[in-house]
Amino acid sequence: QSVLTQPPSVSGAPGQRVTISCTGSSSNIGAGYDVHWYQQLPGTAPKLLIYGNSNRPSGVPDRFSGSKSGTSASLAITGLQAEDEADYYCQSYDSSLSVFGTGTKVTVL
Amino acid sequence: QLQLQESGSGLVKPSQTLSLTCAVSGGSISSGGYSWSWIRQPPGKGLEWIGYIYHSGSTYYNPSLKSRVTISVDRSKNQFSLKLSSVTAADTAVYYCAREVAMEYYFDYWGQGTLVTVSS
Repeated sequence: QSVLTQPPSVSGAPGQRVTISCTGSSSNIGAGYDVHWYQQLPGTAPKLLIYGNSNRPSGVPDRFSGSKSGTSASLAITGLQAEDEADYYCQSYDSSLSVFGTGTKVTVL
Repeated sequence: QLQLQESGSGLVKPSQTLSLTCAVSGGSISSGGYSWSWIRQPPGKGLEWIGYIYHSGSTYYNPSLKSRVTISVDRSKNQFSLKLSSVTAADTAVYYCAREVAMEYYFDYWGQGTLVTVSS
């Protein structure tokens, strides 16, 4: 029962920019909790992509960027590449537990 | 480089108890500033946080699973464990262990995951 809503899928051609939204509420994102993003390649464990709304861990390309406003957050991928085809999840905090988004499949056309 | 590795039974009968262990290498499970979590993902579905154990030993569980979950730590072996009782087919999932940065609530290291199937 995900409390963070994401679009099921987004797609784009190589080199394009795509964005993924993560919509929450006043008890999670709107309460001031940070949003984090994970990339899950097929058959692998999730990998931290963005933490604290907009920070990239070492090794994550600067093509990935995050932002947060009000009760929502967004992940942007610029210069889309074939290896970006994966599932992406947002995550935040709500009522003393970690909550994940519904997940978005990114397809590179 | 921190590494986490799950192990345990891949097949559990309905009504029995699922047991998994996460071995941590490249760092101490007793380090302050982190908690150690279990997260699961049913086939083809999204991620669900199960619970965590803090470096101090305190635990917190997802209310939806709280009555059936126990997370414990073995500091001598640098590992932590998950027990989920009274399992049903709905508990079939890939189970991941992960390190959470305390008070910032994100997971910076993950195990590779292990599939647990509940079936008779």
